[in-house]
Amino acid sequence: DVHLLESGGGLVQPGGSLRLSCADSKSNFDQFAMNWVRQAPGKGLEWVSGITASGTTTYYADSVKGRFTISRDNSKKTVSLQMNSLRVEDTAVYYCVKFDLSWGQGAPVTVSS
Amino acid sequence: EIVMTQSPATLSVSPGERATLSCRASETVSTSLAWYQQKPGQAPRLLIFGASTRATDVPGRFSGSGSGTEFTLTISSLQSEDLAVYYCQQYSKWPPWTFGQGTKVEIK
Repeated sequence: DVHLLESGGGLVQPGGSLRLSCADSKSNFDQFAMNWVRQAPGKGLEWVSGITASGTTTYYADSVKGRFTISRDNSKKTVSLQMNSLRVEDTAVYYCVKFDLSWGQGAPVTVSS
Repeated sequence: EIVMTQSPATLSVSPGERATLSCRASETVSTSLAWYQQKPGQAPRLLIFGASTRATDVPGRFSGSGSGTEFTLTISSLQSEDLAVYYCQQYSKWPPWTFGQGTKVEIK
């Protein structure tokens, strides 16, 4: 029962920007913190960013701090990840993950010239 | 941050045999430990949360145990469809969530 749906992935050149979005179809969205977790090709899982349920506090992995921005809109039940100054090493599938451990299907992001 | 270490990296098990996967945390996570199954091209699937509680629709052959820093995922009778990579994750201290590097289960 997948209720998180990511969108916005694609191919972008190094230095470019991309915005990922994740929509939750469940009514309890505003009760849970949200996260983005990524998986580079052939690699393991890496936590990227998180945001509290209210949206007042955000957190980032050192590898993306200053380049990525997480935000949420509880009225629309969506969480977004604005990715700027993208690097080749940001290439990965990005998963939206709710704090109750439910996962989306993933959005592939490829950074390449 | 809490470092999660899984062993072995690869496990080869014959169909019908037991598979035992281990996960160790660098500091206590109590029972805030999850196990995931990931098949090629798919998102991780939650198998176990709270160290020992099976998620919805997870077959009974999957079981989790442990607390503190030592955890185990057991597949009691391996089926061919269990071929996958298995990850452990701690959610005791956030941020960040941290994951083990994965154990690949192969069918012997």
